[in-house]
Amino acid sequence: NAGVTQTPKFRILKIGQSMTLQCTQDMNHNYMYWYRQDPGMGLKLIYYSVGAGITDKGEVPNGYNVSRSTTEDFPLRLELAAPSQTSVYFCASSPTLAAQETQYFGPGTRLLVL
Amino acid sequence: DQQVKQNSPSLSVQEGRISILNCDYTNSMFDYFLWYKKYPAEGPTFLISISSIKDKNEDGRFTVFLNKSAKHLSLHIVPSQPGDSAVYFCAASEGGQAGTALIFGKGTTLSVSS
Repeated sequence: NAGVTQTPKFRILKIGQSMTLQCTQDMNHNYMYWYRQDPGMGLKLIYYSVGAGITDKGEVPNGYNVSRSTTEDFPLRLELAAPSQTSVYFCASSPTLAAQETQYFGPGTRLLVL
Repeated sequence: DQQVKQNSPSLSVQEGRISILNCDYTNSMFDYFLWYKKYPAEGPTFLISISSIKDKNEDGRFTVFLNKSAKHLSLHIVPSQPGDSAVYFCAASEGGQAGTALIFGKGTTLSVSS
């Protein structure tokens, strides 16, 4: 099993550009999450999904959108990129409710907005 | 306002000795605590967890202690090995709250020298 995969690994964006960060898991997990980690900080939840077709906001959702059309995929969309979105983005999944279950993380996407 | 605090950004330990990583929290509603380990350019990986109904959980060389009255938990690694060198994140959650998922501390970088 590949687990949680993320693409791209690294990307440079200009201010105002948009992009989609891809996340796929092959563990048939219902729950999926997007986090961002700023330098020297802990991970903060952007969006999460409890199953296909169901998404909701986390702690820092502004400037992002998500969709969940399949169990496997949970893409994160950045519209009108800003320097404040420079960060490392991690996707994660878990089989049941995250509060009581281990989350499995992808390797991350490093994004630089200039 | 940080709900989960790791006040030591770094810790250096000699191989074979004990490593003690500390974590404090402010939210008394947290009822599940986890430690994640992160190597450079990789996503966090689950290490060990503890429910608030327990005060100790042990898994091989890793033991987590929870002191609810002090809102403090610690991770003990005995004996420490060079391969333990990584960033360690403390995380907490409120049961049944998928939207809050995990609240992470800023992390402590552990360096184990041989």
